Amino acid sequence: SQQGEEDPQALSIQEGENATMNCSYKTSINNLQWYRQNSGRGLVHLILIRSNEREKHSGRLRVTLDTSKKSSSLLITASRAADTASYFCATDRGSTLGRLYFGRGTQLTVWP
Amino acid sequence: DADVTQTPRNRITKTGKRIMLECSQTKGHDRMYWYRQDPGLGLRLIYYSFDVKDINKGEISDGYSVSRQAQAKFSLSLESAIPNQTALYFCATSEKGRSQETQYFGPGTRLLVL
Repeated sequence: SQQGEEDPQALSIQEGENATMNCSYKTSINNLQWYRQNSGRGLVHLILIRSNEREKHSGRLRVTLDTSKKSSSLLITASRAADTASYFCATDRGSTLGRLYFGRGTQLTVWP
Repeated sequence: DADVTQTPRNRITKTGKRIMLECSQTKGHDRMYWYRQDPGLGLRLIYYSFDVKDINKGEISDGYSVSRQAQAKFSLSLESAIPNQTALYFCATSEKGRSQETQYFGPGTRLLVL
């Protein structure tokens, strides 16, 4: 079963706007990660946030984590057409064994 | 050169055929994974291996088998392919230790079973 549930399933915005994607999960976690996938290609790791962190930044990316609500958000600021991709959250379900559990993803389309 | 490679990149086969998908990595990672991706379902784990002598089933291992020939090589076999195994297959790696959580993905193999 899917651990992460991203919403929305699809998001369409104009270049320059901010894009916010959410992820909810059901179990305790050690960390939560976000990955990006360009159409038909492999996933690329974007950012990891640990359970004792509330916010993390990387360039135009901002990730928040609320463990009390079991939810995370990924914000992409000043989006570009090149940000068009699917974005997945993944958690470890509290295990340290290295397995990840992925959500179904949010398809982001950024129009020029 | 890519750190994680998969061959073939595309494959069309017929129902009942045995096929093998191969994955190689130059990252020196101990851990390797096989996932399949279906539209709208995200990624599901088929098998994973934490070292050459360690093979574990994932969520959807039925109809699949794997072989970890070396630290750098992890192959996925479909013993008798069926149409609902049509999907995009990804290999991934991760290292043991503090940064073990991040996974590095290959480019994928697109499989069509007729």
